Amino acid sequence: GGIITQTPKFLIGQEGQKLTLKCQQNFNHDTMYWYRQDSGKGLRLIYYSITENDLQKGDLSEGYDASREKKSSFSLTVTSAQKNEMAVFLCASSIDRLRGDTQYFGPGTRLLVL
Amino acid sequence: GDQVKQSPSALSLQEGTNSALRCNFSIATTTVQWFLQNPRGSLMNLFYLVPGTKENGRLKSTFNSKESYSTLHIRDAQLEDSGTYFCAAHQGGRALIFGTGTTVSVSP
Repeated sequence: GGIITQTPKFLIGQEGQKLTLKCQQNFNHDTMYWYRQDSGKGLRLIYYSITENDLQKGDLSEGYDASREKKSSFSLTVTSAQKNEMAVFLCASSIDRLRGDTQYFGPGTRLLVL
Repeated sequence: GDQVKQSPSALSLQEGTNSALRCNFSIATTTVQWFLQNPRGSLMNLFYLVPGTKENGRLKSTFNSKESYSTLHIRDAQLEDSGTYFCAAHQGGRALIFGTGTTVSVSP
């Protein structure tokens, strides 16, 4: 089995700050994803990457940047944190996006912006 | 509008009872995943479905692609079944589209 780790677990930022979230997977999966979950709601896709150095926008990409530095890691940057923003950011990975393979999720990073 | 609609939005169950959760899809869906999010926020994979039925312990799930829905049946509910259940649809080559979840509370 494999595991997905996300750092940090909790992130408190200031309005206007640039914040970076990191995700590592040891499944050797090709595709990685970043989702945002707001309280009481489902997950929405921010960015995904089908291989190293690839980047694809999801429905919620505005206000975010992402970087797939290597196959095992995928970073997400909040370019300018919004005041009172509170959400959970979930990273996931799967073998193959096109086949719609099972996605495995990390434990999440909880963001609070003061 | 809602591409993946889950019902009910909340469900209270007594231990030992059975219930069913449903997802309706208004988008072409090739495969479906069901997740359980625990109170700490971790998402646990329950099922990955092509059209058909899968069973795992007290849980059973069906995906009917012709009628565009999926169901998750909980049999003999236990306290540890509490949490929020999400279904998510794969649309061919795109990433998952999530429903808004069903929050299940199981009481003694």
